[in-house]
Amino acid sequence: DAGVIQSPRHEVTEMGQEVTLRCKPISGHNSLFWYRQTMMRGLELLIYFNNNVPIDDSGMPEDRFSAKMPNASFSTLKIQPSEPRDSAVYFCASSLSGVGYTFGSGTRLTVV
Amino acid sequence: LAKTTQPISMDSYEGQEVNITCSHNNIATNDYITWYQQFPSQGPRFIIQGYKTKVTNEVASLFIPADRKSSTLSLPRVSLSDTAVYYCLVGGSSNDYKLSFGAGTTVTVRA
Repeated sequence: DAGVIQSPRHEVTEMGQEVTLRCKPISGHNSLFWYRQTMMRGLELLIYFNNNVPIDDSGMPEDRFSAKMPNASFSTLKIQPSEPRDSAVYFCASSLSGVGYTFGSGTRLTVV
Repeated sequence: LAKTTQPISMDSYEGQEVNITCSHNNIATNDYITWYQQFPSQGPRFIIQGYKTKVTNEVASLFIPADRKSSTLSLPRVSLSDTAVYYCLVGGSSNDYKLSFGAGTTVTVRA
């Protein structure tokens, strides 16, 4: 298995632009998580899905952030409009019923 | 979610055993204890998970006392490549699979 695949690896965008981050979880995993990591705040859970259904989005910072999981093999995290304070590394992780998360390599987002 | 407390940093030398203790006084009956390792520019990597007593795998051992209010991750004979941040997490019980990461412990292994 190729593991959790995230794209792009790096994204540089201008303030106000829309940004879409993508994630392909491990086949067979039924839970998917989006995290954001910064030096100041560490790893923050933004949202998680179970069986493609959003279960908890209390970590999503504001309405500019949205996440979807249209099927078991794909999820997106969208920021519209982006702001410099959104600059961070965004990780996607998947697991089978909460046993041992597997993280992707992350997307480093820079908003200028 | 149960809050965890672990040291901010630890220093060690190659070949030594490193023990990181994590406190989780409010652990729920069904919660598991899980440890992750994170290298710079990489996502966290699952190391070990346990519920009680002792668990051992090829990477580490996890010791959990009977009251489960703390746990100790033991890394035997560390090498320079074990320099990383180690996170202790508690949760994953029942159908709530949400895990929250704290600040972690930065372990620095020196030659």
